[in-house]
Amino acid sequence: DGGITQSPKYLFRKEGQNVTLSCEQNLNHDAMYWYRQDPGQGLRLIYYSQIVNDFQKGDIAEGYSVSREKKESFPLTVTSAQKNPTAFYLCASSNYMVLDYGYTFGSGTRLTVV
Amino acid sequence: AQSVTQLDSQVPVFEEAPVELRCNYSSSVSVYLFWYVQYPNQGLQLLLKYLSGSTLVKGINGFEAEFNKSQTSFHLRKPSVHISDTAEYFCAVSSIQGAQKLVFGQGTRLTINP
Repeated sequence: DGGITQSPKYLFRKEGQNVTLSCEQNLNHDAMYWYRQDPGQGLRLIYYSQIVNDFQKGDIAEGYSVSREKKESFPLTVTSAQKNPTAFYLCASSNYMVLDYGYTFGSGTRLTVV
Repeated sequence: AQSVTQLDSQVPVFEEAPVELRCNYSSSVSVYLFWYVQYPNQGLQLLLKYLSGSTLVKGINGFEAEFNKSQTSFHLRKPSVHISDTAEYFCAVSSIQGAQKLVFGQGTRLTINP
């Protein structure tokens, strides 16, 4: 079955560490997105990529980095510069030009700073 | 640009009662409209969508929504809710023109009481 796989489901980070969240899709979608979700704040866009080797900052990109070397993969690195990284992170994908099917979401990664 | 306002952050209802979750949007161009549901610690799942045609759309789990262009609204309804409907619900909008991102509302937490 086609879908999006996020791993790991739970991740613990020590202060000052970089961590990378994985997102892989086999839907042949061109566009991929990373969102951060905090209680009561809805979804906030971190980064998005509409084609391979290209990506744009979203609303809260500071302290995060991404790469898009393959169509199927869009990993997110949470750097030590992100002061409050504890949150639920969601990856999504879509067709680039036509959003009539909206987004397909992964099941999320919960990141906790210890 | 588009924006979405979900008018209620929390909606408590009793089991088997009807429910309406309200969503208003703003856009200068024609849009597609979506409702997503998120169960605890999971990704978002598409409930239903409006692309064109009949303004009343039916989705999964007995939900339906009505597109009202003059009111710029897309309210979600269910005639009789179950405990299993307890979740967070997100309204979203995208332009029908290409290369546009999905814009989400802040979410409405639906709590079903026995």
